[in-house]
Order: sequence, then C-alpha cells, then structure tokens
Amino acid sequence: KNQVEQSPQSLIILEGKNCTLQCNYTVSPFSNLRWYKQDTGRGPVSLTIMTFSENTKSNGRYTATLDADTKQSSLHITASQLSDSASYICVVKGNAGKSTFGDGTTLTVKP
Amino acid sequence: GAGVSQTPSNKVTEKGKYVELRCDPISGHTALYWYRQSLGQGPEFLIYFQGTGAADDSGLPNDRFFAVRPEGSVSTLKIQRTERGDSAMYLCASSLLAGGGTDTQYFGPGTRLTVL
Repeated sequence: KNQVEQSPQSLIILEGKNCTLQCNYTVSPFSNLRWYKQDTGRGPVSLTIMTFSENTKSNGRYTATLDADTKQSSLHITASQLSDSASYICVVKGNAGKSTFGDGTTLTVKP
Repeated sequence: GAGVSQTPSNKVTEKGKYVELRCDPISGHTALYWYRQSLGQGPEFLIYFQGTGAADDSGLPNDRFFAVRPEGSVSTLKIQRTERGDSAMYLCASSLLAGGGTDTQYFGPGTRLTVL
C-alpha cells in the first residue's frame, strides 16, 4: 500500500526560529511531491512541488528538498512567523495520477 | 469566483438523515475532487470528476455516498442515512486538468459535517 509518513506529528517553536519537517513515502512509481499549508478550518494551499529530477525548491521562507532514491523529503521554514502556525501536509502523486496525503505536521509558532 | 467555494460551511444533522454538500470549482477547471478529512489526519480521497463523469470513485466508502457533476461545473456530494462516523471536514478541490502531471489542485474552505 502506498504510504506517506510525516514527522514530527506536532512541533512548537519560538518566533524567528527555523524548523524542518520530514516526509517519507513509499509511493511507486513516483510523479511528484507537494507540500501544502493548511490553516485551521481552511483548505490546503500548495507551497511547493517537486518532480523526480528536482532536489530542492524554494518559495520565500519555505525550502523543500527531495531525495527520490531514499524516498524522503523535507520542508525547511526559515525565520518563522506567527502566521506560519498551521498544518503542513506532504502529498505524493504516483504516475497513475492518484495523490496520497500524509497526516500532516502541526506547527505552532509562539511569540 | 476567484477560488473554490463550498456550501454550507457547517452542517449539523441527525443520524439517519440525508445531506448534500455543494462545491463550486474555479471556472474553467475540468477536474474536481472530493476529499474527507478527520481531525489530525490528512485528506482522504473520495472521488474525482473529469468533466461530467466520475473518472475515479474508488475512495467512496460505501453506497451511502454519491456525487454528481451534471454540467461539468458545480458538484454535489450526497450522503444518505448519515452515521456518526461520517462526521468530518469535506474538502473539494479543482484543477485545470486531471490525471498525472504537475497540475495544481486548488482547495475550497471545506464543509464541516457533524452527525449527532
């Protein structure tokens, strides 16, 4: 069964600090991997997308990495802000077009 | 509209009742997806439409769940004989195209369904 595992399940950091969220997957064959940000009570919003040949992709203070050999991805958030408090979901799409969602990491940024 | 909209935003119903959840996708998007999300979990795929037809309904949990998209735009998710276990956030997403590739899904704000 294709799976997407995220860690940690939750994380609390102080405003201004950096953090890294992890995503391991077993989806095969692989098409692409996205990171979404989901604010409480809202739908997910895409942050980055990476295909097989891409190792890193940045979107402002968000930088995603991908190691397709080890089937691992990370999302690094730099200089965190209070508005970064949200759930971050890793989504892997296989070649058949179906997306598998992780359960997310809940990030809380405190002042 | 500018984005995907869903109505109602909240729905409280009693066990055994019938509910309909509506999704208005972004204009021109041919693909429309329905997901169900329980607290603390990622969205779980239910069904997706390419135009008017259900291209993949493998995620529908049982025959109490049904979805339509008669004109290839607005979609309605219908749940019969609701059960308490159906309580969840129901998310709709649309994308320009369907299938594989890097096409972005744009999500609506969701409908929070509570079955008492």
